[in-house]
Formats: sequence, C-alpha cells, structure tokens
Amino acid sequence: EADIYQTPRYLVIGTGKKITLECSQTMGHDKMYWYQQDPGMELHLIHYSYGVNSTEKGDLSSESTVSRIRTEHFPLTLESARPSHTSQYLCASRDSSRETQYFGPGTRLLVL
Amino acid sequence: QQQVKQSPQSLIVQKGGISIINCAYENTAFDYFPWYQQFPGKGPALLIAIRPDVSEKKEGRFTISFNKSAKQFSLHIMDSQPGDSATYFCAASSPWGTDKLIFGTGTRLQVFP
Repeated sequence: EADIYQTPRYLVIGTGKKITLECSQTMGHDKMYWYQQDPGMELHLIHYSYGVNSTEKGDLSSESTVSRIRTEHFPLTLESARPSHTSQYLCASRDSSRETQYFGPGTRLLVL
Repeated sequence: QQQVKQSPQSLIVQKGGISIINCAYENTAFDYFPWYQQFPGKGPALLIAIRPDVSEKKEGRFTISFNKSAKQFSLHIMDSQPGDSATYFCAASSPWGTDKLIFGTGTRLQVFP
C-alpha cells in the first residue's frame, strides 16, 4: 500500500480565490506528478518533478503552478480559481529505480 | 503526439464471464505498458504491467496479452466478479526523455451478478 496523501479531498470555492492543493508522500520517492482528470475520463499530466527544486510542465497546459522544496511535498497552487478549473486533481509519485507510479486519492475541485 | 488508444469505452459483463479491454499505441519507443484500476472516488492503482520482451503476463485472474508487431496490448479479466467493476486505464511510457506515462481514455467495466 502506497503512502501518498492529498488534502483537501473535496473543495468548493468561489471564482478568483487562491487555492493550494497539498500532496505528500512518505516513501522517499524522488519523482512526483500532478494529473488532471475529469470524471470518468483519461488522466492528463499537468506538472512533474524529478527532485527537489526541479519542476516541469506536463503535456496539458495548466494555469496552476507547483513547487518542490522538500522531497516529500509537492503542492499545486491556483492563484485565481475559475470555473474551468473544476476537475479532479491526482498526485502521484515513484522511485527512479522502479516504474510503478503510486497515486493519491485525489482532490475534487469545484469552482463556482 | 504520442497517443494510446483504448477501447471499448464501456463494457458490461456477466459474473463469471471474460472481460477484454484493448489498447493500441503508436510510439515504438514505448517499453513499459501498465494497466491501472480506478474505483470511484479513489486514485488509480497499478493492476498489472508488461514489457515488450514477453507476449503474455498473468497475475491471478488478470492477463496482459502483448502484440509488438501490431503495437497492441490487451487486458483479460477471467471469471469477472462484481468487485471488478471499475474504470480501467492502459498506459505506456518510454525510457527516453521524461519517461512520462501516457494514459488511454479508460474503460468503465460493470460486472453484473
């Protein structure tokens, strides 16, 4: 069982608010990822990190930003939320020596 | 654009039957092909994975069949159970560049008793 946590699990917020989605893993994995997933749809990579102070944008353009100051922590921030940001956000991590990505439970975001 | 095409979009199977989900890929550099299972309200979890050097891998009731020449791979769920009802995603990645996983569009499986 992978130890990767996401908070909050659900968030309803108004347009224009700043939000931060938290992701933490206790496995010491160096690689971490953020995916965006609409209900029942495919996962789109929006950010990834190969280690501390390393962040890159993924295949799907996103207005969100990420940071990786500590190995175990990979938060995602939206400076000004909009209804188009409504989606599920999934965090994942893996060890470089293995290919399995472990996913957190996700954060379901609704922007009104 | 690297793509992984998955079908069918949804699948209804009777308990005890065989569920088959298919995926096709384009990039011959892909060398790792996992299947993920996702229950509602949960994150995806790795179910089974295969590399192109073998044509089949079996773990319990779950089997991946891999056809390198056709650039296709499939998931077979034998003796399907109601507890298998979930969304299944195939994926692929390559060792080059950023080793990102490219996911298929998902198949929603419903197994009825």
